[in-house]
Amino acid sequence: AQSVAQPEDQVNVAEGNPLTVKCTYSVSGNPYLFWYVQYPNRGLQFLLKYITGDNLVKGSYGFEAEFNKSQTSFHLKKPSALVSDSALYFCAAFEGNNRLAFGKGNQVVVIP
Amino acid sequence: GAVVSQHPSWVICKSGTSVKIECRSLDFQATTMFWYRQFPKQSLMLMATSNEGSKATYEQGVEKDKFLINHASLTLSTLTVTSAHPEDSSFYICSGSQGDSGANVLTFGAGSRLTVL
Repeated sequence: AQSVAQPEDQVNVAEGNPLTVKCTYSVSGNPYLFWYVQYPNRGLQFLLKYITGDNLVKGSYGFEAEFNKSQTSFHLKKPSALVSDSALYFCAAFEGNNRLAFGKGNQVVVIP
Repeated sequence: GAVVSQHPSWVICKSGTSVKIECRSLDFQATTMFWYRQFPKQSLMLMATSNEGSKATYEQGVEKDKFLINHASLTLSTLTVTSAHPEDSSFYICSGSQGDSGANVLTFGAGSRLTVL
């Protein structure tokens, strides 16, 4: 079965500093990986995905993620965090039948 | 882009009553829709998978007689919480998919906050 791990519970970062949200995966076959963001009392919004090709994937709101096969990681990054980036971030892996395996989520707090 | 509309956003009901939550794909046909339950600051728990015109597939531990799911068309799926009790209070989220490709992005509704008194 596919699985995704997000080792940190909360990530605190000062506004303007680089933001990294970690994700490692365990999948059989080629991994299809996703990042979603959830604001309070809202559904999940798609940020970016890795299917194949360039290991550096660029997504919405200035976010990017790097696929690293040797480390089985897919960390989400943003060069300069904004207060409005404070939200819950989910990493996910495709597990067939349209289903996604979600990580537990990381709360990101950007401090003004 | 693809949009999923979920209604109602908030609902408060008395214990013992039933509540229906609708999930509509507005600009695409969702061959498959998923229903999730989310507890505060936790990940999504998949409750069931519904395919248009067939019975929903429920995850282990989810009571299918309590959480009735109907997927009558390619654009509408409903979740009915029957005889709701306070422990059913939660945030329910639906998502839709256009196909069975790993490259397809799941589109999520905005969620429905259910509070059972």
